[in-house]
Amino acid sequence: DAGVTQSPTHLIKTRGQHVTLRCSPISGHKSVSWYQQVLGQGPQFIFQYYEKEERGRGNFPDRFSARQFPNYSSELNVNALLLGDSALYLCASSHSGTQNYGYTFGSGTRLTVV
Amino acid sequence: DQQVKQNSPSLSVQEGRISILNCDYTNSMFDYFLWYKKYPAEGPTFLISISSIKDKNEDGRFTVFLNKSAKHLSLHIVPSQPGDSAVYFCAASVTGGGADGLTFGKGTHLIIQP
Repeated sequence: DAGVTQSPTHLIKTRGQHVTLRCSPISGHKSVSWYQQVLGQGPQFIFQYYEKEERGRGNFPDRFSARQFPNYSSELNVNALLLGDSALYLCASSHSGTQNYGYTFGSGTRLTVV
Repeated sequence: DQQVKQNSPSLSVQEGRISILNCDYTNSMFDYFLWYKKYPAEGPTFLISISSIKDKNEDGRFTVFLNKSAKHLSLHIVPSQPGDSAVYFCAASVTGGGADGLTFGKGTHLIIQP
């Protein structure tokens, strides 16, 4: 079975641009969560989606948005990129929309903002 | 303010010996705790978890201990093997609080010396 797949694996953007990151969950998983990991820090919660509805949001500005599609894949969008948005963006999928266990993480998208 | 703290950025242990990784938390609402292992260029991989109704959970070479009164947990790996060299993240959650995601520490880089 394929694990959680994220695309692209790496990308470089310029300040002020917009970026879209994509995530495909494990087959049968209906929940997708997004995390940001800045160098030297642990992952920080951005969003959780379950059955195409936002179920949770971390302490991130409105420049960050996400959505989940009928096939349970998800996109994370970041507008007006700042240098501080440079990070590894991790997607995790799980069966449950209410419990914080059973997560399987993807390998992440490394975003560099210059 | 960091709610989950891993105060040792790195730890070096000889192969075959016990590795002990520590984690402290400040939020008394946390009632479910997890350890993840991360290799470079990969996403975090779930290792072991513990509910606050227990004080110990074992899985093969990995044991997690929870001291609720001290708000402290530790991960014991015995015996340590070269493949255990990785960054280990402690994470905490409120059960049923999927909306808040997981709160991670900054990680401890474990190095197993031959």
